Amino acid sequence: EAGVTQSPTHLIKTRGQQATLRCSPISGHTSVYWYQQALGLGLQFLLWYDEGEERNRGNFPPRFSGRQFPNYSSELNVNALELEDSALYLCASSLGAGGPDEQFFGPGTRLTVL
Amino acid sequence: AQSVTQLGSHVSVSEGALVLLRCNYSSSVPPYLFWYVQYPNQGLQLLLKYTSAATLVKGINGFEAEFKKSETSFHLTKPSAHMSDAAEYFCAVSDPTGGFKTIFGAGTRLFVKA
Repeated sequence: EAGVTQSPTHLIKTRGQQATLRCSPISGHTSVYWYQQALGLGLQFLLWYDEGEERNRGNFPPRFSGRQFPNYSSELNVNALELEDSALYLCASSLGAGGPDEQFFGPGTRLTVL
Repeated sequence: AQSVTQLGSHVSVSEGALVLLRCNYSSSVPPYLFWYVQYPNQGLQLLLKYTSAATLVKGINGFEAEFKKSETSFHLTKPSAHMSDAAEYFCAVSDPTGGFKTIFGAGTRLFVKA
């Protein structure tokens, strides 16, 4: 069974540009979560999608946005990139909202903003 | 609102010694609790989870954790550390009244000395 996949592995952008990160969940999973892991700041919750709807978002500005497609894959968009957006962005999937489901994590996308 | 506190951002033990990583949670209702491990340059992997069954939970790689409601704790232990246990460990809480949104602790980095 294929795990959660993320692309690209690495992404280098300059300040002010936009970044698009992609995530494919495990087959059968309807929930997708996005987290930012910046150096020394632990895992910060960004967004949670389930069945195509945004269920919750963390304490991040609106320039962080995303969507979930009918096939449950997801995209995270970061507009007007700032230097402090440099981080590892992790995507996770689970069976779906409504239960204490384990989240399965992808390997992450390393975003570097120059 | 639920929260998670991991005591100690860094823990160092000798190979063969007891591993104890501390986690305290705050939740208005009995929560679901998880421990994840992150090896360098990888995503997170579930070690174990508590979902209101037995209070002593056994996970992978010889780890276990005990849910203590009176202490609001869910500490992770392993009797004998191995070099391969060196990683970052995250405690997480999922509150059923919060739609099972999962909150992660800040993480504890475990160092194992030869």
